[in-house]
Amino acid sequence: EPEVTQTPSHQVTQMGQEVILRCVPISNHLYFYWYRQILGQKVEFLVSFYNNEISEKSEIFDDQFSVERPDGSNFTLKIRSTKLEDSAMYFCASSEIRGRNEKLFFGSGTQLSVL
Amino acid sequence: AQRVTQPEKLLSVFKGAPVELKCNYSYSGSPELFWYVQYSRQRLQLLLRHISRESIKGFTADLNKGETSFHLKKPFAQEEDSAMYYCALEGYGGATNKLIFGTGTLLAVQP
Repeated sequence: EPEVTQTPSHQVTQMGQEVILRCVPISNHLYFYWYRQILGQKVEFLVSFYNNEISEKSEIFDDQFSVERPDGSNFTLKIRSTKLEDSAMYFCASSEIRGRNEKLFFGSGTQLSVL
Repeated sequence: AQRVTQPEKLLSVFKGAPVELKCNYSYSGSPELFWYVQYSRQRLQLLLRHISRESIKGFTADLNKGETSFHLKKPFAQEEDSAMYYCALEGYGGATNKLIFGTGTLLAVQP
């Protein structure tokens, strides 16, 4: 079965630094998502992306966050100036079509540690 | 408000025992509900969705609109079922649909 790929698996950064988390969605998928999970808490929606623009974003997704599809294969999440509270597991997901009950395929996640 | 509640953080059972992982939801409208599973050090995977009325790995879940529940059940637990289980509600917004997750229940099946 095709997979969503995320790199790196673990990123350590200093507070205030910029980080870019990378994702390669499944090739024929058109809808992309970022979720995050702070240790011990629930998986939370951050942003959805379709047709080269953000479709929906949560209140967590403030001006420090941005997403981009720089080429035909990558989907990135940038955090401009990281804060301690950004430490979390970040999951990328993609789906083929937009329909109710459409299956999301998740990547294995990037563990971001902000020191 | 759209919300998913999984009241148990940990459920420990013995192999062969029945399992019920509880999930309650709050949603104004017709909900679409899912169960995702995360085995140790692996990615989140779709286990089942209510619309399919399917049974995956012996697990079933029935949507009870009266009780606003979508509990996950299996009659006989296996050790390989040990994992983190997340109930999720599909929120409807924009051009894409987002999932609203519960906090998850860790199922530990003892030999």
